[in-house]
Amino acid sequence: NAGVTQTPKFQVLKTGQSMTLQCAQDMNHNSMYWYRQDPGMGLRLIYYSASEGTTDKGEVPNGYNVSRLNKREFSLRLESAAPSQTSVYFCASSFSGEVYGYTFGSGTRLTVV
Amino acid sequence: GQQLNQSPQSMFIQEGEDVSMNCTSSSIFNTWLWYKQDPGEGPVLLIALYKAGELTSNGRLTAQFGITRKDSFLNISASIPSDVGIYFCAGQRSQKLVFGQGTRLTINP
Repeated sequence: NAGVTQTPKFQVLKTGQSMTLQCAQDMNHNSMYWYRQDPGMGLRLIYYSASEGTTDKGEVPNGYNVSRLNKREFSLRLESAAPSQTSVYFCASSFSGEVYGYTFGSGTRLTVV
Repeated sequence: GQQLNQSPQSMFIQEGEDVSMNCTSSSIFNTWLWYKQDPGEGPVLLIALYKAGELTSNGRLTAQFGITRKDSFLNISASIPSDVGIYFCAGQRSQKLVFGQGTRLTINP
């Protein structure tokens, strides 16, 4: 019962470096999401993929790109990391339209120095 | 920007006390949900509410979907140490979830 798996769990980047956060789910979910969590801000949606082959911007997409590689995998890329992107990143998945069925990964803690 | 206003932002209580937190919005949601996040983990769903006025319980947790569809509250009765964590409200909009800022609950034994 892996659910949603995120890698890596921790990462430190220098300003300007790039990296890709990986997310995979094994529940046959259609929809996948990337959120960031900052103190006092709750979780804010970065990008989502309603189904394989589609991606859309969320509330805070600037500085990020995503790829829905297949039904299982949804990656988040930072092309040129900035200190403002220091955050905890969560991936989630669900069956289409079933908001009560969101399953979250355990998060990636990213620090940009 | 943030569309859900959750309060209080933090609570410090004694074990055994009851807890109440709420969430308000300037716009209507069709579904309200409450999540709990343990340290180092992702949020986990506690209660989902689908109808205005609905009152739902899950053990010591009780949540209500406001009549106006713009608010919800969560009560925890007789708190225990494992209730420590961050609680988030979330509303459904266009098949996506919008989250509140979270309420951090700390319990003194």
